[in-house]
Amino acid sequence: EAGVAQSPRYKIIEKRQSVAFWCNPISGHATLYWYQQILGQGPKLLIQFQNNGVVDDSQLPKDRFSAERLKGVDSTLKIQPAKLEDSAVYLCASSLEGVSSYEQYFGPGTRLTVT
Amino acid sequence: AQSVTQLGSHVSVSEGALVLLRCNYSSSVPPYLFWYVQYPNQGLQLLLKYTSAATLVKGINGFEAEFKKSETSFHLTKPSAHMSDAAEYFCAVRGTGNQFYFGTGTSLTVIP
Repeated sequence: EAGVAQSPRYKIIEKRQSVAFWCNPISGHATLYWYQQILGQGPKLLIQFQNNGVVDDSQLPKDRFSAERLKGVDSTLKIQPAKLEDSAVYLCASSLEGVSSYEQYFGPGTRLTVT
Repeated sequence: AQSVTQLGSHVSVSEGALVLLRCNYSSSVPPYLFWYVQYPNQGLQLLLKYTSAATLVKGINGFEAEFKKSETSFHLTKPSAHMSDAAEYFCAVRGTGNQFYFGTGTSLTVIP
């Protein structure tokens, strides 16, 4: 079974530029998460999708971050414009729908450096 | 609200020694608790999970954790450390709505 795919793996941009990350979850997983992991910290949830609807985006900085999950499959996270403090690893995870869906499966992450 | 606190951001053990990584949780509902491991430049991998069944949970790579409600703890242990165990370990709790809240992580160093 293929895992969660993310691209690119690494990205370096200058502040005020824009950037987009892509995630393809495990086939059949209805729930998709985007996390931000700053160096030395645990992952922080940015947004959670259930199929193509948003369940929780309370910690997403909506003035600069946006995310979509068209057709309830793959997802894109965008930052525009980027700030220095956005330097982090962006992790995508997916899980099955329902109460028994305890496990999240993580992708390898995209390491963003903003200079 | 749900949260977890990991005590000790860095732990060093000798190869073959006991590994003990501490996690305390806060939850207003019966918690679902998890331990994840993260190797350099990789995503998180599930080690084990507690979902209100047995309080002693066995995971992969010889790790286990015990859920202690009275102490609100879910510490991770392994009887004998191996060099390959060197990694970052995260404790997490699942909240209502299927959100997950992670601790700040513990970096494990294994000394040969």
